[in-house]
Amino acid sequence: QVQLVQSGGEVKKPGASVRVSCKAYGYTFTNYGITWVRQAPGQGLEWMGWLSPYNGNTQYAQKVQDRVSVTTDTSTSTVYLDLRSLTSDDTAVYYCARDRLGVSISMVRGVNGGMDVWGQGTTVIVSS
Amino acid sequence: EIVLTQSPATVSVSPGERATLSCRASQDLRSNLAWYQQKPGQAPRLLIYGASARATGIPARFSGSGSGTEFSLTISSLQSEDIALYYCHQYNDWLGTFGQGTKVEIK
Repeated sequence: QVQLVQSGGEVKKPGASVRVSCKAYGYTFTNYGITWVRQAPGQGLEWMGWLSPYNGNTQYAQKVQDRVSVTTDTSTSTVYLDLRSLTSDDTAVYYCARDRLGVSISMVRGVNGGMDVWGQGTTVIVSS
Repeated sequence: EIVLTQSPATVSVSPGERATLSCRASQDLRSNLAWYQQKPGQAPRLLIYGASARATGIPARFSGSGSGTEFSLTISSLQSEDIALYYCHQYNDWLGTFGQGTKVEIK
């Protein structure tokens, strides 16, 4: 079935970098964009960035755009989130999520339609 | 950045009663708004997209309405399993944003 499986939890020191992976199963990988969302402890959802595996286009939230990269390896149906210069404020659960609309529709309409399939989440703890 | 403001922060409703959640946008979203439910320790689940369309498998007691800058999510008859946080999300802009969430609890 359609699912996104994320990599395991990470503990990092301030100033370090982290890579979180999201592997897709059960659908044509390049047909749907992937969004990254994070949730700090006890806080709400924060949209971080988006990538289209179809053409590699990306979008990043202004808050993290200087420190974040979202990339893909289409040969393994995997999307990666890289976050650099970590601080304690980056301690959070990180989720990947699939666009509800496929690229053939989203590129015409200019919207992704929300996210209908979510990964299980990856906990990243930043602590000295 | 498009800002979404949800109200109230917490809504307390008796079982079987109606719960209404609001989401206000800082810009015109047309109908490009979704609602998600999140239970403790779980990933969010898509409830509503296009402001009013129910996602696959979502019970009919959940309904969404609105367009432009004012949206609402209604749970027509609250069940115990509906206790959760609810977030609105705009995708009118490729730079998506979320509201801060509304907690639904049993009175």
